[in-house]
Amino acid sequence: GDSVTQMEGPVTLSEEAFLTINCTYTATGYPSLFWYVQYPGEGLQLLLKATKADDKGSNKGFEATYRKETTSFHLEKGSVQVSDSAVYFCALSERGAQKLVFGQGTRLTINP
Amino acid sequence: KAGVTQTPRYLIKTRGQQVTLSCSPISGHRSVSWYQQTPGQGLQFLFEYFSETQRNKGNFPGRFSGRQFSNSRSEMNVSTLELGDSALYLCASSTGTSQETQYFGPGTRLLVL
Repeated sequence: GDSVTQMEGPVTLSEEAFLTINCTYTATGYPSLFWYVQYPGEGLQLLLKATKADDKGSNKGFEATYRKETTSFHLEKGSVQVSDSAVYFCALSERGAQKLVFGQGTRLTINP
Repeated sequence: KAGVTQTPRYLIKTRGQQVTLSCSPISGHRSVSWYQQTPGQGLQFLFEYFSETQRNKGNFPGRFSGRQFSNSRSEMNVSTLELGDSALYLCASSTGTSQETQYFGPGTRLLVL
């Protein structure tokens, strides 16, 4: 079945550092791809999404590009802030189904 | 527009009991999906309801069931609780069209003793 593999965490960075969280997927069709973020004690918030190859999703300084040739959707941000500390989940949505398949999550901690 | 709401936020039950969790979707959304989040297994899909019909189901035992009402509100039931059912249960709503974004509620944290 479809699956998502994320970079192992935890990841600790200093404020203003560059962030990359790797995400690769396996899917039989052409899924949509998502990044969700979870702050402590809360549910998941959509960070960005891309629905087809070469699409770039962006929000709050975060970006990710849907790469079909490498089956990847890596999350990047040029300058992280302490407030970006959270758990980040990469996910795919199978075509024709309202079912999200998640990666294992990456805990990000930003130190001032 | 109000977001997805889930009640209760916290629950403590004992083994063998049953529990019902509730989810109210965003107004106008007809699809409700449920997910279980645990430290060991991560986020796993339980089932999805659309217009009162279960449209998709994950790999969970029959003790996990759900339903959806005509106003799109959904309930999830777990019978004969086991210690391993302790988890954060997340509900998500969407319009129900293919690959549409799902919006999540804050979750219900269930502890089974």
